[in-house]
Amino acid sequence: GAGVSQTPSNKVTEKGKYVELRCDPISGHTALYWYRQSLGQGPEFLIYFQGTGAADDSGLPNDRFFAVRPEGSVSTLKIQRTERGDSAVYLCASSFSGGANEQFFGPGTRLTVL
Amino acid sequence: KQEVTQIPAALSVPEGENLVLNCSFTDSAIYNLQWFRQDPGKGLTSLLLIQSSQREQTSGRLNASLDKSSGRSTLYIAASQPGDSATYLCAVRTGGSRLTFGEGTQLTVNP
Repeated sequence: GAGVSQTPSNKVTEKGKYVELRCDPISGHTALYWYRQSLGQGPEFLIYFQGTGAADDSGLPNDRFFAVRPEGSVSTLKIQRTERGDSAVYLCASSFSGGANEQFFGPGTRLTVL
Repeated sequence: KQEVTQIPAALSVPEGENLVLNCSFTDSAIYNLQWFRQDPGKGLTSLLLIQSSQREQTSGRLNASLDKSSGRSTLYIAASQPGDSATYLCAVRTGGSRLTFGEGTQLTVNP
C-alpha cells in the first residue's frame, strides 16, 4: 500500500487490560510518530522514532505507555492497565528522515476503554 | 511551550464563497507549518506544508500563507464546494520533530 496503515481500526477493551496498536509506515520512511487525539481536540504528540530508536518519548503520559520499532519499520504502541481516560484515537504518522519533512498520517485506531 | 490557536472554531458558508481560516502560534521559532484536513472518523490528510523560509504555498483552490514573525498563518479556500466540508487543522514544528496542533476549524459548505 502507498499510505500509512494502522490496525486495528477499532479496539474496545475493559479497564485494566493490556492493548497493542500497530502502525505500518510508508515504505522507505525512516521517521515514525505516534499522536493521540481526544474528541474535539487536535492530536497530541506521544513519541517519535528515527529508525529503531525512540528519539523523543517526552509526550508519553506515564509509564503505562510504551512503544517499540524493533526493525525500523513497523511500530507497536503498548498500553498497560488501561484506564477510561486512555480512550481516544491513536494516530501514527511517518516521514522521510524526520526533521522538516512532511508527515503523512494513517487512519488511526479508535480505542475505547469501558 | 508552543501553543497553537485556530479561529474560528466552526464556520458555515454557502457554496461558492471564498473563505479564510486562521492559525496563530506563540513561539515564532518554527521550522515549518502544515495544514491538514480531517473528515469525520478519519485520519489526517496533508494539504500544504510551508517551510519557515517560505511565505506561501498553493495547491489548486488552496493557498496558505505564513508570517513567522507575527506567529500567524492563513488558509484561503477559493470557490468553496460541499466536498470541502471537514475539519481543518494547523500544526507547527518547533523543536525536534514533533508537530503541535491547534484544535481545528470545523467547516461546513452548504449546497
